[in-house]
Amino acid sequence: DAKTTQPPSMDCAEGRAANLPCNHSTISGNEYVYWYRQIHSQGPQYIIHGLKNNETNEMASLIITEDRKSSTLILPHATLRDTAVYYCIVRVGYSTLTFGKGTMLLVSP
Amino acid sequence: DGGITQSPKYLFRKEGQNVTLSCEQNLNHDAMYWYRQDPGQGLRLIYYSQIVNDFQKGDIAEGYSVSREKKESFPLTVTSAQKNPTAFYLCASSIGGRASREQYFGPGTRLTVT
Repeated sequence: DAKTTQPPSMDCAEGRAANLPCNHSTISGNEYVYWYRQIHSQGPQYIIHGLKNNETNEMASLIITEDRKSSTLILPHATLRDTAVYYCIVRVGYSTLTFGKGTMLLVSP
Repeated sequence: DGGITQSPKYLFRKEGQNVTLSCEQNLNHDAMYWYRQDPGQGLRLIYYSQIVNDFQKGDIAEGYSVSREKKESFPLTVTSAQKNPTAFYLCASSIGGRASREQYFGPGTRLTVT
């Protein structure tokens, strides 16, 4: 699976959009981009995934660049409960997940 | 409610003792996974199972053993051969096979060995 690069930490004001970047320049054509998050001392939670097109669900939006070498997870209106470590993972659909260190997002009042 | 349960939440053991961590799911998922997480680190895969009575080693299987006798259950034994067993252990499940997409995680068991 391709390797991903994420900033170690980011800050966001409550109510503003949080934009979390991820670089995956070695991604191959059949690899999906997944996002999970982990609130302190809990199990990770699936957020969203995509292959080529932008995706949106009730939690977030995923924007994938046309060359697929990077993506951005967008939380449109961040709340204090969105404070967590966010993991960007690329994988072939049926393979196991490989978690890096992720981005620690701190949402402040 | 459907989900994954892990028990206990906190577990303390003396060095040299084997310990078994429980993981049960009622999601009817075929695949189950065990991960280990150390402070400030990401998750590392220990073992996974795609179907009953079958499992494969992950990236850090040494010192651990698993069984998959029932679809709902995937217990992990931390043996005395594991050099640094103190960690946060997470179990997950997914639909499995080529249809596999998201993994659902349990709340985790924090194991401390002294």
